[in-house]
Amino acid sequence: QVQLVESGGGVVQPGRSLRLSCAASGFTFRNYDMHWVRQAPGKGLEWVAVISQDGSITLYPDSVRGRFTISRDNSKNTLFLQMNNLRAEDTAVYYCARDLKLGAPDYIDYWGQGTLVSVSS
Amino acid sequence: EIVLTQSPGTLSLSPGERATLSCRASQSVNSNYLAWYQQKPGQAPRLLIYDTSTRASGIPDRFSGSGSGTDFTLTISRLEPEDFAVYYCQQYGTSVLMTFGQGTRLEIK
Repeated sequence: QVQLVESGGGVVQPGRSLRLSCAASGFTFRNYDMHWVRQAPGKGLEWVAVISQDGSITLYPDSVRGRFTISRDNSKNTLFLQMNNLRAEDTAVYYCARDLKLGAPDYIDYWGQGTLVSVSS
Repeated sequence: EIVLTQSPGTLSLSPGERATLSCRASQSVNSNYLAWYQQKPGQAPRLLIYDTSTRASGIPDRFSGSGSGTDFTLTISRLEPEDFAVYYCQQYGTSVLMTFGQGTRLEIK
């Protein structure tokens, strides 16, 4: 069965960096676009980044563009999110997520259990 | 950027009743590319409906989606105890790839 397991979350000071990882199994990882979605405590969902199957295309919303970088290693079935210059408003549970199908439109059919990132001094 | 507004914020119903959840977009949704997710406390979201009305794999037929343009609806025909959760709509966009509504909490009356 499809499994997505995030790791790398924790408490970090404002301005510092953190790298999240997501280990994928149960499906052919290289065949799917992948996303990161976050959820601040008690709040709704916010899409953070997407990466194409081969890693050649990445997209971000304005809120993280220039600070966050999504990447993948298809040989190791692993997705990453490098987060730099972290702010208090980046505090959230970060979900690794699989795109439902290749190409537009983008929906998410599988989610990891999430990893909590807390940005605080 | 399209903004999705869900209503009501909280819906209180009893098992066996019909639930109607609304999602209104600030502009017409591209080709009706709209989805619904269910989230229970401490869990990740679960895809229920995509492309406005297509049920995702394994989703019971008591869940249905409808709408077009700027107004979309998720209907749960007869509520089961496990249906009480928070529901989010999501649209596929161009300037921002995915945007979500703020959620509707469906609680037991």
